Amino acid sequence: EAQVTQNPRYLITVTGKKLTVTCSQNMNHEYMSWYRQDPGLGLRQIYYSMNVEVTDKGDVPEGYKVSRKEKRNFPLILESPSPNQTSLYFCASSLGAGNYQPQHFGDGTRLSIL
Amino acid sequence: RKEVEQDPGPFNVPEGATVAFNCTYSNSASQSFFWYRQDCRKEPKLLMSVYSSGNEDGRFTAQLNRASQYISLLIRDSKLSDSATYLCVVTRPPSGGSYIPTFGRGTSLIVHP
Repeated sequence: EAQVTQNPRYLITVTGKKLTVTCSQNMNHEYMSWYRQDPGLGLRQIYYSMNVEVTDKGDVPEGYKVSRKEKRNFPLILESPSPNQTSLYFCASSLGAGNYQPQHFGDGTRLSIL
Repeated sequence: RKEVEQDPGPFNVPEGATVAFNCTYSNSASQSFFWYRQDCRKEPKLLMSVYSSGNEDGRFTAQLNRASQYISLLIRDSKLSDSATYLCVVTRPPSGGSYIPTFGRGTSLIVHP
């Protein structure tokens, strides 16, 4: 089954404790991206990747890192999480980096930073 | 003006009603447009792409008006299962070689018996 898989689905942790949210897709998609969704603010893009070893900042990259060592994986790293990073996170992928490519989303990861 | 704007609603309609949402965008060079559906606390799912000539998928019709810079979604014969938040997505021109999708904040639809 074609899918985007995120782990963990839920995480409660404390300020400053490094964490990684994994994202994997099995559709051989080139383009992958991370979003956060907050009440009243909608979905905002954190980072995206057009292909292996190619990453770029989205609209809200501060406090996050990503890597794209393999095509299928695009982990989101919070080196020193803070409470303002408490949010619902979605990973998404699409066939290409160009236009007219709808995105497929993972189930989401709900992060709470205390 | 926000890049992509939607009326948050909620739109509260009875079963069988016809309902329409609009989404306005500020960048006249925007290239591609989509409607996504998101159920509470779930991931967004593609509902339909929006083409220049307008397109229909069953009870759903999408239109694009480039002159006035908005897209619309019309839902006919509303079902209870249509209750969800509808997100509009506009892809703005390349930045460093990649198109950036921008999501609206969504319009909430509640269909009641």
